[in-house]
Amino acid sequence: AQTVTQSQPEMSVQEAETVTLSCTYDTSENNYYLFWYKQPPSRQMILVIRQEAYKQQNATENRFSVNFQKAAKSFSLKISDSQLGDTAMYFCAFMKHERYGGATNKLIFGTGTLLAVQP
Amino acid sequence: GAGVSQSPSNKVTEKGKDVELRCDPISGHTALYWYRQSLGQGLEFLIYFQGNSAPDKSGLPSDRFSAERTGGSVSTLTIQRTQQEDSAVYLCASSLVWGTSLNTEAFFGQGTRLTVV
Repeated sequence: AQTVTQSQPEMSVQEAETVTLSCTYDTSENNYYLFWYKQPPSRQMILVIRQEAYKQQNATENRFSVNFQKAAKSFSLKISDSQLGDTAMYFCAFMKHERYGGATNKLIFGTGTLLAVQP
Repeated sequence: GAGVSQSPSNKVTEKGKDVELRCDPISGHTALYWYRQSLGQGLEFLIYFQGNSAPDKSGLPSDRFSAERTGGSVSTLTIQRTQQEDSAVYLCASSLVWGTSLNTEAFFGQGTRLTVV
């Protein structure tokens, strides 16, 4: 079974600074995806960034980037130039990707990191 | 609609009562998921629909929980004889599931916060 671990329950960062959120996972699979989702107080989960396991290059989306270390099973999220609107709960998630009809392709989530951006 | 819609937004019920939670997925999305988010926990998978069938019900915690989907669209999660431990946020997500990597994104609704008193 796959597991996802986020060891930082809460973090705080000053506006405009950089912060890194940690995530480790455990799997024996070779074909999978990793995600970071943001959950603001509205409760709606928003996809921040996605990484395919077969790609060595780290994914980036504007101020968000990841450090994907496949051998170490580590997938950290770096937020640069932090903004007040980045305050939210951040979840790391794993998905075993199977391309056949009936495959569940469900997400397995960590317990989240509550990030507070201070003015 | 433009996004995944869930209703009600909040629900308070008495222990022992039955509740129904509704999810309207994004039009055209054949895959639909239900997740449960308990206080201080990550999201826990409950059930997966592909069209109207549910090939994976492995996350349903007990036989008090059931779900159905009709017309390949709206889904209802029913909890019978609610218990206090059922209190949580229930989130629904839809996606195109498989194909290219672009179809791996799951779009979430805002959830239903269920409180059992």
